[in-house]
Amino acid sequence: GQQVQQSPASLVLQEGENAELQCNFSTSLNSMQWFYQRPGGSLVSLFYNPSGTKHSGRLTSTTVIKERRSSLHISSSQTTDSGTYLCALERGNNRIFFGDGTQLVVKP
Amino acid sequence: GPKVLQIPSHQIIDMGQMVTLNCDPVSNHLYFYWYKQILGQQMEFLVNFYNGKVMEKSKLFKDQFSVERPDGSYFTLKIQPTALEDSAVYFCASSGTDGNTLYFGEGSRLIVV
Repeated sequence: GQQVQQSPASLVLQEGENAELQCNFSTSLNSMQWFYQRPGGSLVSLFYNPSGTKHSGRLTSTTVIKERRSSLHISSSQTTDSGTYLCALERGNNRIFFGDGTQLVVKP
Repeated sequence: GPKVLQIPSHQIIDMGQMVTLNCDPVSNHLYFYWYKQILGQQMEFLVNFYNGKVMEKSKLFKDQFSVERPDGSYFTLKIQPTALEDSAVYFCASSGTDGNTLYFGEGSRLIVV
């Protein structure tokens, strides 16, 4: 079964609205990482966050290991935030499992 | 920030031919990975590589696939022979001594015709 589940699968926002993306995992993990995949396909690492809360500009990531979840909060969304957001968990032996991603569209 | 370079960015190849995808990882990184993403689908793990050896590979890593990093040069993914279902974007990634944060390349788009 799928070890990493992301929700929602897709999200449409008006510019300025906030977004909350969720990642739930069914197994134990060593680390959790959030990526942004540009419409052209390239990947950008947003957060490496095995536990706790981290901030980067308008982005906040919170991982709660005992609840097996991680979230990505985007505040005051902009049209340039549009793309796919992927979470990935690393279990050990440096093997990474990706979720299906959340497709975000921010309209002007 | 650290950059992983992939060459070529895209390639069209006839079915049955051999293709080599090259990855220049972040310098001093020790762990290397290949991922495959078919258009519109989830990114899938293929293989990871450390200290000159494959550590783990998925069922997607068929017998026609091989990886190597001779003498600290490019980390390569070779497919021989290619099949139509190999058409995808292949992402290379590397990580440092802690094996944690991954840095990805921009991907190599392979089209097998």
